[in-house]
Amino acid sequence: EVQLVESGGGLVQPGRSLRLSCAASGFTFDDYAMHWVRQAPGKGLEWVSGISWNSGSIGYADSVKGRFTISRDNAKNSLYLQMNSLRAEDTALYYCAKDIAKGTKFYYFDYWGQGTLVTVSS
Amino acid sequence: EIVMTQSPATLSVSPGERATLSCRASQSVSSNLAWYQQKPGQAPRLLIYGASTRATGIPARFSGSGSGTEFTLTISSLQSEDFAVYYCQQYNNWPALTFGGGTKVEIK
Repeated sequence: EVQLVESGGGLVQPGRSLRLSCAASGFTFDDYAMHWVRQAPGKGLEWVSGISWNSGSIGYADSVKGRFTISRDNAKNSLYLQMNSLRAEDTALYYCAKDIAKGTKFYYFDYWGQGTLVTVSS
Repeated sequence: EIVMTQSPATLSVSPGERATLSCRASQSVSSNLAWYQQKPGQAPRLLIYGASTRATGIPARFSGSGSGTEFTLTISSLQSEDFAVYYCQQYNNWPALTFGGGTKVEIK
């Protein structure tokens, strides 16, 4: 059974940093690209960032480019999102999501975690 | 960035009736479109990919159609468990994946 478990969310002040983690199990982690997708309270879905199986291809939404860094550790079956210079508008539930392919190109998401909540407020 | 626009924002439907949801892309995405269902307090679930292929385990009452810039998700006979928010997502314009704003299907 595929499982994606996010952690690392919490309350953080504007301008500070936070690192999210996603622990994956139930599939061969290094066979797939992975993504972060967020959802602000009461709002829709927003793709944040994606990374190919070997970290060779990485993409970011314009809203986070230059502030967020995605990474993965295939030996630990883990995905990460380093979030710097956080803003109030980054407040959201952050989902880890599995791509259907390795990641020469990004596609769509067949499995999602339950999310970790990030609140940016003073 | 490709902008995805969903309509209507809210759709009121009686159980057993047909629901038709629309998704429009600001430029062609070919057939590189997926649909998701999200229920309150839950993560999204993949319904359709390639504009018209049902994901594993998705009932046949869900169908997708369209290509280019105009897409439709049809639920042929709404069941109680189908009342949810539905999102479309394009994956033609890599790496900038984008979602539509969602359509809430509510009980009439």
